[in-house]
Amino acid sequence: SAVISQKPSRDICQRGTSLTIQCQVDSQVTMMFWYRQQPGQSLTLIATANQGSEATYESGFVIDKFPISRPNLTFSTLTVSNMSPEDSSIYLCSVDGGREGLNEQFFGPGTRLTVL
Amino acid sequence: RKEVEQDPGPFNVPEGATVAFNCTYSNSASQSFFWYRQDCRKEPKLLMSVYSSGNEDGRFTAQLNRASQYISLLIRDSKLSDSATYLCVANGGYSTLTFGKGTMLLVSP
Repeated sequence: SAVISQKPSRDICQRGTSLTIQCQVDSQVTMMFWYRQQPGQSLTLIATANQGSEATYESGFVIDKFPISRPNLTFSTLTVSNMSPEDSSIYLCSVDGGREGLNEQFFGPGTRLTVL
Repeated sequence: RKEVEQDPGPFNVPEGATVAFNCTYSNSASQSFFWYRQDCRKEPKLLMSVYSSGNEDGRFTAQLNRASQYISLLIRDSKLSDSATYLCVANGGYSTLTFGKGTMLLVSP
């Protein structure tokens, strides 16, 4: 499976600021995904990011709040904009496993965000 | 709303025990199913993909019942290192995954 890294691994931010999270993969992948995992909860998909097209957002998530870039097949960023304490969460990127039709995903180590 | 439901546990078992987790999914169109393992403060790691009616990988056996829309995971001869949260996952729309909230397993000496 691909090796996935995320930066930063954790951050503490002030209300009203924005944070950009980077996700780097060691091989080219078609599909990248961004998830949020709030304390005690499971993973919730924020959006799917494909290179060369606009990200596709899930219900409840909007581009103004979570703008995403996907400039090439190995890299993506997620920005959490105008943060509030409710945005405190772990943010994870994942990539498609590459096996046709299986929809397996592999995850980066996550970014632990605390908003004060 | 497409859901995956799991018993949150925790399941407390002694080493060597056999333990089973069940989960149900609501999206009848789901075609791919998985069990992920998540250790505390770590990312989820793929444990097993669940094929057709089920499959086995060492001490782990996954079963799928499409008629009843449930998936199970059986762990035999539990090890201390099996202690983790086990996430049941079903695919939703195009390539997207829906995660259950997880079942916590604690294996004690």
